[in-house]
Amino acid sequence: AQKITQTQPGMFVQEKEAVTLDCTYDTSDPSYGLFWYKQPSSGEMIFLIYQGSYDQQNATEGRYSLNFQKARKSANLVISASQLGDSAMYFCAMRVAWGGKLIFGQGTELSVKP
Amino acid sequence: DGGITQSPKYLFRKEGQNVTLSCEQNLNHDAMYWYRQDPGQGLRLIYYSQIVNDFQKGDIAEGYSVSREKKESFPLTVTSAQKNPTAFYLCASSTTGSNMQDTQYFGPGTRLTVL
Repeated sequence: AQKITQTQPGMFVQEKEAVTLDCTYDTSDPSYGLFWYKQPSSGEMIFLIYQGSYDQQNATEGRYSLNFQKARKSANLVISASQLGDSAMYFCAMRVAWGGKLIFGQGTELSVKP
Repeated sequence: DGGITQSPKYLFRKEGQNVTLSCEQNLNHDAMYWYRQDPGQGLRLIYYSQIVNDFQKGDIAEGYSVSREKKESFPLTVTSAQKNPTAFYLCASSTTGSNMQDTQYFGPGTRLTVL
């Protein structure tokens, strides 16, 4: 069965420091995609970064990078230089089949302290 | 401005009533999706559509119905058969439903409360 696990319900980080949000996944399909979304208190899901299972390099988008360890089935999100506006829920998601379905983890609530 | 709109933002329903949540996109995307989010949980797929006049059930379709008569619109009806409909509902769209790396973009959501 395909599954996403986020083991950190909540995390705190000091402003301007880096933080890593954990995500492990489970699938037997060799072809899959991994996504990270940010959900502020307003509720809208904001796409952050994508990593394909066949991508050779870790994905990066500005202050966001994805630490992709295929053998360990982990896809951790790294946020560098945290800002107060980064305080939100963060969801890891996976797509394993053509058709578009995303499987979401339960999320990690990040709080950035000034 | 291109994007996805959902209305209403808040919706209150009496038990036994059907209600319809609106989702419109002007991104020219072929695929559209409905997800449900319960407090402290991730999103679960209700229905999705990859093309006009066609849609498929997701993981929790019981008690819900959809239509896709226009490319831009994908309304969701929460019927009285849905036993626990109080939740946050998110609509999404993507360029196609068949490309692994197609990003799903989300609307602002509708919060439904059953009184």
